[in-house]
Parts: sequence; structure tokens; C-alpha cells
Amino acid sequence: GAGVSQSPSNKVTEKGKDVELRCDPISGHTALYWYRQSLGQGLEFLIYFQGNSAPDKSGLPSDRFSAERTGGSVSTLTIQRTQQEDSAVYLCASSFGTSGGTDTQYFGPGTRLTVL
Amino acid sequence: AQTVTQSQPEMSVQEAETVTLSCTYDTSENNYYLFWYKQPPSRQMILVIRQEAYKQQNATENRFSVNFQKAAKSFSLKISDSQLGDTAMYFCAFMNTQGGSEKLVFGKGTKLTVNP
Repeated sequence: GAGVSQSPSNKVTEKGKDVELRCDPISGHTALYWYRQSLGQGLEFLIYFQGNSAPDKSGLPSDRFSAERTGGSVSTLTIQRTQQEDSAVYLCASSFGTSGGTDTQYFGPGTRLTVL
Repeated sequence: AQTVTQSQPEMSVQEAETVTLSCTYDTSENNYYLFWYKQPPSRQMILVIRQEAYKQQNATENRFSVNFQKAAKSFSLKISDSQLGDTAMYFCAFMNTQGGSEKLVFGKGTKLTVNP
């Protein structure tokens, strides 16, 4: 596609429910990143995928958060038993994935999650 | 751990004038990359400019330029001939090229308003 796409654009859920957020990276990009943007914490890294593997999961805040990537393309971020503090904008980014930081990360429009 | 500090939560500038946004960072690494991203109300993060730490020459992209002071760990963004469309949140970000993750570490952001 022309850019990184994310769905849904907005999600409202009740406390305790599970949610799935989807990211479709730019075609050909092997690296994929999830970030969380909240009022109190700013932009925080969650997880990094290179292909289908996740060599860096250090930003996941708890074991309620998980992510997977299949076929080296689409990624799903799952939040189980949502809490009100999970309310935030979840941003996905992708890049070509070569080493050395030469790749720009291109961001999607984000999913705004509201937990009531 | 690397940290990025943006000391100006909000700034305003008159259309056609010049404004400088400040950013400082803390790292013990020698090789890294620095970025400025723009986030308009649409939430889409857009790369404005990037700087490789090994380059002494300051990066420039049209009306946007940086003042990179490696010893002082400072990376300010200058916007010349400000336009109404420059109104947005601006985030300074650091990328460590060691360790493979290439995740971005962001500052808290500066809200820039360009007034007509």
C-alpha cells in the first residue's frame, strides 16, 4: 500500500475486555514497531519485529500485552483484560529494516483506544 | 538508558517568521541518529528531518534545518518562513544504532502554533 495503515481508527471498550489492534506496514518493509502515545507518558516503544520474530519486546508494559506478526507483513497487538490506564493512541511504524539506523520509520495514523 | 528532553512544551510564532525548537539528549553511545517528527491534529507522525551523529554538517530540508552540537548533546530545529501548515506537535527522537533494535526514544514534544 501507499503507507502504513492501522485499524480500527478508534476503539472503545469496557474494562476487562480483550482488544486487537491491527497494523499493515508498507509493502517490502521488514521492520515493524509498535509505540504507545499517552498523555502522561508521551511516546513509548512497545515492541520491534524483524520479519516474523520479535527481538525486542522490552517495552511491553505487562503480560496482558502481546503482539504477533505473520507472513512478515501484518501485525496484531493484543491487550487482554483491558484497564483504564491502557487508554492511549497506539502507533505502528515500519521501515526497510537494514541495520545501522539508515532507515526512516514511517508511521500509521494510529488507533485511539478508550477503556471505559 | 537514553533520554530526550524538550524543554519547551508550547511555542508560537507569526507566519513568515523563524522559530527554533530545542532538544537535548543523553547517551553514552558514539554512533546514533537523531530525528524531528511532526504530528498534526490528524495524528500522522511525519518525518521532518534526520541527522547522523557521525556527520558534522547540519542537515537541511527546505525550510527546516538543525543545529547539531554533539559535544553538548543538543539538536535544535529551526523552521524558517513559518507557514500555517507548520502548526503541529514536534517530537525530537533518538535512535541508538547499537544492539539491533533501532527503536526511537522520543521527547515529550513541543506544541507549535503558527499565527496568521
